[in-house]
Amino acid sequence: ELKVEQNPLFLSMQEGKNYTIYCNYSTTSDRLYWYRQDPGKSLESLFVLLSNGAVKQEGRLMASLDTKARLSTLHITAAVHDLSATYFCAVDLGGNYQLIWGAGTKLIIKP
Amino acid sequence: NAGVTQTPKFQVLKTGQSMTLQCAQDMNHEYMSWYRQDPGMGLRLIHYSVGAGITDQGEVPNGYNVSRSTTEDFPLRLLSAAPSQTSVYFCASSYSTGSYYGYTFGSGTRLTVV
Repeated sequence: ELKVEQNPLFLSMQEGKNYTIYCNYSTTSDRLYWYRQDPGKSLESLFVLLSNGAVKQEGRLMASLDTKARLSTLHITAAVHDLSATYFCAVDLGGNYQLIWGAGTKLIIKP
Repeated sequence: NAGVTQTPKFQVLKTGQSMTLQCAQDMNHEYMSWYRQDPGMGLRLIHYSVGAGITDQGEVPNGYNVSRSTTEDFPLRLLSAAPSQTSVYFCASSYSTGSYYGYTFGSGTRLTVV
């Protein structure tokens, strides 16, 4: 059974600081997704990571994938209040259209 | 393009009532799915469809039915609502590029069963 674990589940940080969210998964997969969700809203796709060593960056967010360690990271650089949201990672089981989700990391960035 | 449209946005049901959550997409995606989101948990797959006339169960299918008569529509039916089905429901459609699947989510239906 594929399990996806995120940590931390809750993160409160000051503007301007850097931090990393971790996503571990328990079985082989070459496709990992990061999503953002604002309160009461739908899910917004941030990154799709397709291969070992993949790194993608958008603004202050950078995601990476290590398939050998079964680990993805979402790094936040010089956080700003607008990045406050819940961030989810999800792993594709591959070929059968099933995403297995982490529990989410609620990120609060204080001015 | 409207993308993925879910109706209603909010619904309150009494235990034992039935209802249908609607989901429609206008992107001609073959694959559609239903997830539920509970507090403190990630999304969990209820049912999915890989094309018109083809559906299959996901991780938490009990108490839910689906059908896919057209490419565009994928309704989710609650046969006899229970308080445990109080949740936020998301419909998603997806496409394959050959190397990965892209997922587009609807805005969600917040369901409360009392």
